[in-house]
Amino acid sequence: QVQLKETGPGLVQPTQTLSITCTVSGFSLTSYYMQWVRQTPGKGLEWMGFIRSGGSTEYNSEFKSRLSISRDTSKNQVFLKMNSLKTEDTGVYYCARDNSYWGQGVMVTVSS
Amino acid sequence: DIVMTQGALPNPVPSGESASITCQSSKSLLHSNGKTYLNWYLQRPGQSPQLLIYWMSTRASGVSDRFSGSGSGTDFTLKISSVEAEDVGVYYCQQFLEYPFTFGSGTKLEIK
Repeated sequence: QVQLKETGPGLVQPTQTLSITCTVSGFSLTSYYMQWVRQTPGKGLEWMGFIRSGGSTEYNSEFKSRLSISRDTSKNQVFLKMNSLKTEDTGVYYCARDNSYWGQGVMVTVSS
Repeated sequence: DIVMTQGALPNPVPSGESASITCQSSKSLLHSNGKTYLNWYLQRPGQSPQLLIYWMSTRASGVSDRFSGSGSGTDFTLKISSVEAEDVGVYYCQQFLEYPFTFGSGTKLEIK
């Protein structure tokens, strides 16, 4: 069956880079787009961006050049990298296969 | 960005009664292809969002037929007929017509 699981650092210091991995099973990354959505106390649910089945990406301009989404199809993994973290980036980060299947989310706290 | 505005519910809603959740978009979500680019999600306490409705009125796989979506280009309603305890949570609308995809702030449903 379709499964998605995010893994990440938990705690990140301000100005540092966040790296989260979404490991999937039950489908091929070359057949579906994968998106990243976060949920913060300040802004609620925010769409961050996605990577299409063909590998091209689309980003929320809110994150400007801070955000990068990539994948390794051989490992069934999708990656989120965001730099210059601020305390306002504290929240739960979700990966999702299109809109239908979501991971459990990973809590990220940005604090010194 | 398209702004999504959700209405509140007169909580708590008696079990077995119907509940209607409203959502308004700052721009028409009706595409020239005839489809309306609106999703509805339910986020139960402690869980990830779950897709309920897409294309404004199409139920996602496995979703109870107690849930129905309707609307025009800018005004939308999610109706839950005969609410049950498992319906408790926060409901979100989301537009996916334009980047960045945007969510409403959520509508909380409590059951009496």
